[in-house]
Amino acid sequence: SQQGEEDPQALSIQEGENATMNCSYKTSINNLQWYRQNSGRGLVHLILIRSNEREKHSGRLRVTLDTSKKSSSLLITASRAADTASYFCATPRGSNYQLIWGAGTKLIIKP
Amino acid sequence: EPEVTQTPSHQVTQMGQEVILRCVPISNHLYFYWYRQILGQKVEFLVSFYNNEISEKSEIFDDQFSVERPDGSNFTLKIRSTKLEDSAMYFCASSEEQGVFYGYTFGSGTRLTVV
Repeated sequence: SQQGEEDPQALSIQEGENATMNCSYKTSINNLQWYRQNSGRGLVHLILIRSNEREKHSGRLRVTLDTSKKSSSLLITASRAADTASYFCATPRGSNYQLIWGAGTKLIIKP
Repeated sequence: EPEVTQTPSHQVTQMGQEVILRCVPISNHLYFYWYRQILGQKVEFLVSFYNNEISEKSEIFDDQFSVERPDGSNFTLKIRSTKLEDSAMYFCASSEEQGVFYGYTFGSGTRLTVV
């Protein structure tokens, strides 16, 4: 089954605006992780939220988790051009050794 | 800040050839992983490695693939006889604890092109 589906697939906003990306998953999870990928580059771990947490902050990032709806959101406040990237959510598979990834949201920040 | 280093950044190989992708994980990390991302598709798990053995592998990781930690610093992924469909970005990652519980540090990736 697919785990970790982000929406929207693409998001284009003006610099300074807030960007919200959503992720849905199907099975129960231990945690949910968000990663960023600049075009053609590596994956950068942004934030991890555990199943017993509802909200977590890191700088301009705010992540929420609703286990009853099996969904998470990533909010980037006061966006900058450097935030232009693809954002992925990922959740552990039952085996506990691998992450299952969503297709990602491509975020474009227009100057 | 410590980094995971991958070499080469881009490799072009002919179908049927063997390739070795190299990774230098963060020095105090104990868990090592390979993931891949076919262009435009999702990131996919290949294999995890701990205590000098494979912890888990996906169905993608068939007999054509192997991993090795030949010394205290390198972690390699070998593809014995490459196929066109092996063309992808290959990411190495490492973690101090199990990455699924704490997050991974990824390298910048090796773009493998099989022609």
